[in-house]
Amino acid sequence: GQQLNQSPQSMFIQEGEDVSMNCTSSSIFNTWLWYKQDPGEGPVLLIALYKAGELTSNGRLTAQFGITRKDSFLNISASIPSDVGIYFCAGRGNNAGNMLTFGGGTRLMVKP
Amino acid sequence: KAGVTQTPRYLIKTRGQQVTLSCSPISGHRSVSWYQQTPGQGLQFLFEYFSETQRNKGNFPGRFSGRQFSNSRSEMNVSTLELGDSALYLCASSLAALSTDTQYFGPGTRLTVL
Repeated sequence: GQQLNQSPQSMFIQEGEDVSMNCTSSSIFNTWLWYKQDPGEGPVLLIALYKAGELTSNGRLTAQFGITRKDSFLNISASIPSDVGIYFCAGRGNNAGNMLTFGGGTRLMVKP
Repeated sequence: KAGVTQTPRYLIKTRGQQVTLSCSPISGHRSVSWYQQTPGQGLQFLFEYFSETQRNKGNFPGRFSGRQFSNSRSEMNVSTLELGDSALYLCASSLAALSTDTQYFGPGTRLTVL
């Protein structure tokens, strides 16, 4: 089946640093989504991207839908301790309804 | 507006038993999807229901089944439980089934199979 390769798997950074993570796919997606999951909770949507080349921001978060439709990245600027968690990319293909394919996740740890 | 609720939150079963998990979507949402999350396989799509009809199904054995009721509430059932079925089962709801609809996840049901 489709696979999303998400990297890095984990990051341990200093508070205030910028963070970058990305996802690549062997298949084309029509929608790219970025979620954050805290312990004991379900994933929460951070940013949704619907068009190739689209660049979207949500506060300190910026994500882009790759021009080939096979990749996406998420940047977090000036990280703070509450950014700690697991970040997932997810893609939705054509005619896939609401079926999402998820990346393996990036575990972010922030040192105050 | 209340979010997606899942019951129970935690469940312990033994091999060979069956289990039923419940999901109540956000009021007005008609699409419900189910995902399995494990440390080894990550988040994997199980199935999606819209207006009481299964719209998509992931690559899981027939032991995994689900249904949706007229009030959009959904249940999933796993029969003949195996140790590998231990996982966090997540439910997500959305308004309809359009590609631009946002999916909202519930907190999940953590199933442990002994």
